[in-house]
Amino acid sequence: GAVVSQHPSWVICKSGTSVKIECRSLDFQATTMFWYRQFPKQSLMLMATSNEGSKATYEQGVEKDKFLINHASLTLSTLTVTSAHPEDSSFYICSARSVGFDGYTFGSGTRLTVV
Amino acid sequence: AQSVTQLDSQVPVFEEAPVELRCNYSSSVSVYLFWYVQYPNQGLQLLLKYLSGSTLVKGINGFEAEFNKSQTSFHLRKPSVHISDTAEYFCAVRRKLTFGQGTILTVHP
Repeated sequence: GAVVSQHPSWVICKSGTSVKIECRSLDFQATTMFWYRQFPKQSLMLMATSNEGSKATYEQGVEKDKFLINHASLTLSTLTVTSAHPEDSSFYICSARSVGFDGYTFGSGTRLTVV
Repeated sequence: AQSVTQLDSQVPVFEEAPVELRCNYSSSVSVYLFWYVQYPNQGLQLLLKYLSGSTLVKGINGFEAEFNKSQTSFHLRKPSVHISDTAEYFCAVRRKLTFGQGTILTVHP
């Protein structure tokens, strides 16, 4: 079945540095990938929709310059948190859409801690 | 616009008891509805989905859900829960896959 690999699973970084999170579809081509953010004990909030070969579409309130998304191929999307601050600490999850409307497959998530 | 409301933030239940996790939605167009389960520090796993057809949908791990258009609900049920069902459950509606707030199901021995 459709598998999405997300890496790293957890990362600790210093305030002011940048962190890159990768999301790969292993056995299917994902024309669209989604990036979510989840705070403790809260639901997933969609940050942006990433389309292969074009600019990402960001949800209202999400800083484009802070959360850089690149979807350079049909199997890879990356989220870079630039100049990270402690308030960016969160659980980030990617999702890829495979064939058909119902083909949402999720990565295992990345726990980001900024110190 | 579309939205999802999960009416219970936490549901404690004893092992082998039945459980229902409630979900209501609003949408101006026809909907596709989903239930996902999330274990600690993991991504989401699809339990079941409603796209069209029969309103009673059966999923993995013995879960099922019923789509009720008149009540705009998509409640998740399981007749007998196990300890391993302890997790957080999310109801979601397409197209941007909008999630409810989540329901933490805790199964006690």
